Amino acid sequence: KQEVTQIPAALSVPEGENLVLNCSFTDSAIYNLQWFRQDPGKGLTSLLLIQSSQREQTSGRLNASLDKSSGRSTLYIAASQPGDSATYLCAVMETSYDKVIFGPGTSLSVIP
Amino acid sequence: EAQVTQNPRYLITVTGKKLTVTCSQNMNHEYMSWYRQDPGLGLRQIYYSMNVEVTDKGDVPEGYKVSRKEKRNFPLILESPSPNQTSLYFCASSFSGHEQFFGPGTRLTVL
Repeated sequence: KQEVTQIPAALSVPEGENLVLNCSFTDSAIYNLQWFRQDPGKGLTSLLLIQSSQREQTSGRLNASLDKSSGRSTLYIAASQPGDSATYLCAVMETSYDKVIFGPGTSLSVIP
Repeated sequence: EAQVTQNPRYLITVTGKKLTVTCSQNMNHEYMSWYRQDPGLGLRQIYYSMNVEVTDKGDVPEGYKVSRKEKRNFPLILESPSPNQTSLYFCASSFSGHEQFFGPGTRLTVL
């Protein structure tokens, strides 16, 4: 059974730092991996989607990488800002019409 | 505007009183899904649908029903709600195997 973990559970950094969030999954037979952010009491906002055939995706200050063989994905945030404070979630989909398994999330706090 | 809508956004009900939470999307997505989010347990998939009349169980389907009679709608039905179904519920949709878009959430309290 696929399991998704995220390390660290919480992270606090000063504004301007570059940071890396980690996502690990136990079964490498995934179709895609998606990163989301969730603000307190709000819904999920999609950040980046990486298909299994891709190695990385970039959007602005965000870069997500995927290493299927090792069961890992990282989300790199450059030059962090207080507005980046949120919970970041990764989710894997095992086939194109299959279940989606979420990680528990990393709570990020960027201190001004 | 492309969006996923859910109704109601907030609901307080009593044990055993049947309820339906609606979900609608205007992006012509084939794939739709329901999740619940609980403190300490994270987001867990309840049911998903690959297309009209095609649904399958997620990780926590007990106590829930779904139907997909139209492509744009995917209602979640609780036939006899219990307090352990108190949760924050999210609906999502996507083209198959692509980026999922989430609704704003429905906060359900079962007394």
